[in-house]
Amino acid sequence: DTEVTQTPKHLVMGMTNKKSLKCEQHMGHRAMYWYKQKAKKPPELMFVYSYEKLSINESVPSRFSPECPNSSLLNLHLHALQPEDSALYLCASSQDTRAATPYTDTQYFGPGTRLTVL
Amino acid sequence: SQQGEEDPQALSIQEGENATMNCSYKTSINNLQWYRQNSGRGLVHLILIRSNEREKHSGRLRVTLDTSKKSSSLLITASRAADTASYFCATEGSASKIIFGSGTRLSIRP
Repeated sequence: DTEVTQTPKHLVMGMTNKKSLKCEQHMGHRAMYWYKQKAKKPPELMFVYSYEKLSINESVPSRFSPECPNSSLLNLHLHALQPEDSALYLCASSQDTRAATPYTDTQYFGPGTRLTVL
Repeated sequence: SQQGEEDPQALSIQEGENATMNCSYKTSINNLQWYRQNSGRGLVHLILIRSNEREKHSGRLRVTLDTSKKSSSLLITASRAADTASYFCATEGSASKIIFGSGTRLSIRP
């Protein structure tokens, strides 16, 4: 199974709502990522989990809260978002960010969650 | 700041023609990757070329890497309508994360 799944596909929420995005992979990957992508822009890294521990937080506002319950699951909890947070949120996974070689791992992406904040 | 910048930003060609996209980067790298993204979807890994490689092929894809010029190119031969997508180069940043270039939007005209 080489698939990364994300739910929901679409999400519309108000600025006072609390919602969560979910990501799952069963490839045995030990690194998982959250990216934010605006239209016609490249993905921007938000968080990296390595072996279920948060290893990178790209100065993301606290209204985004990641969680990695186990090696297959990654959540992104959303609270008090702003309209400018509307974007495509992509999850990805890779074998290991601490690979023995210096070469960077290939990342496998999910289809994304299209988030609209009203 | 982005590690990779891509050229052109947008490219429209006739089906059957070849498409070439270029990526320039700023600092030394261990490898460079190319990804494809269909509109509103996730990215799909196409090919990885290591810093000690100069050229790599995968099906209709040919990637070159010139570390002296800090540049890479992606050639898609005999383009098809299904090749319409955005293409991103990606290089490693600090702490083993990857940084995507600005992307090239490729349109294949039937």
